[in-house]
Amino acid sequence: DSGVTQTPKHLITATGQRVTLRCSPRSGDLSVYWYQQSLDQGLQFLIQYYNGEERAKGNILERFSAQQFPDLHSELNLSSLELGDSALYFCASSVVGWGIGELFFGEGSRLTVL
Amino acid sequence: GESVGLHLPTLSVQEGDNSIINCAYSNSASDYFIWYKQESGKGPQFIIDIRSNMDKRQGQRVTVLLNKTVKHLSLQIAATQPGDSAVYFCAENYGGATNKLIFGTGTLLAVQP
Repeated sequence: DSGVTQTPKHLITATGQRVTLRCSPRSGDLSVYWYQQSLDQGLQFLIQYYNGEERAKGNILERFSAQQFPDLHSELNLSSLELGDSALYFCASSVVGWGIGELFFGEGSRLTVL
Repeated sequence: GESVGLHLPTLSVQEGDNSIINCAYSNSASDYFIWYKQESGKGPQFIIDIRSNMDKRQGQRVTVLLNKTVKHLSLQIAATQPGDSAVYFCAENYGGATNKLIFGTGTLLAVQP
């Protein structure tokens, strides 16, 4: 158990809909990272937050947004969903904000868009 | 659990043999590298890391080698066990202001008993 909690574990929805994925980082970790994993794309970095502020951005679509709250949990919002958004979405956390250090990954949220 | 990456390169080894998993990274300015292991249906787990000012680091049964000249990273697993069967990812930190941990495509290690 990494200490990172993600909900929901599985989510099935329709195209055009909007979903929110939630992540609670390990106790004491200030950084939260979101990754998308699909079969043909591997692990794609989406975005990182550190202590409530956006720290780095990857290949995150404009239809996606994220935030980190004062209690350090984070939410990833996916809107106007398309079939291609079906993937595993991982949240990871770390103590440091500059990437030098281990990331602890949650078990992921599997999103299926029908 | 579900498999990840049906089209991944696969390394098949016999139990007890040593395994070497290779990775080519992309950014010559990357300053930190990590190997992760992902078992079916689970999130990636940290195995070992190495900073760019080193060329070798050893852990328990694992060794990471870094060759910055050719931007190559390898993970050596000694006496491979069935529990080592998983997808292995290398990741590089772009460093500086960008602060992105970028993952490679992964290699599936299949350990034959």
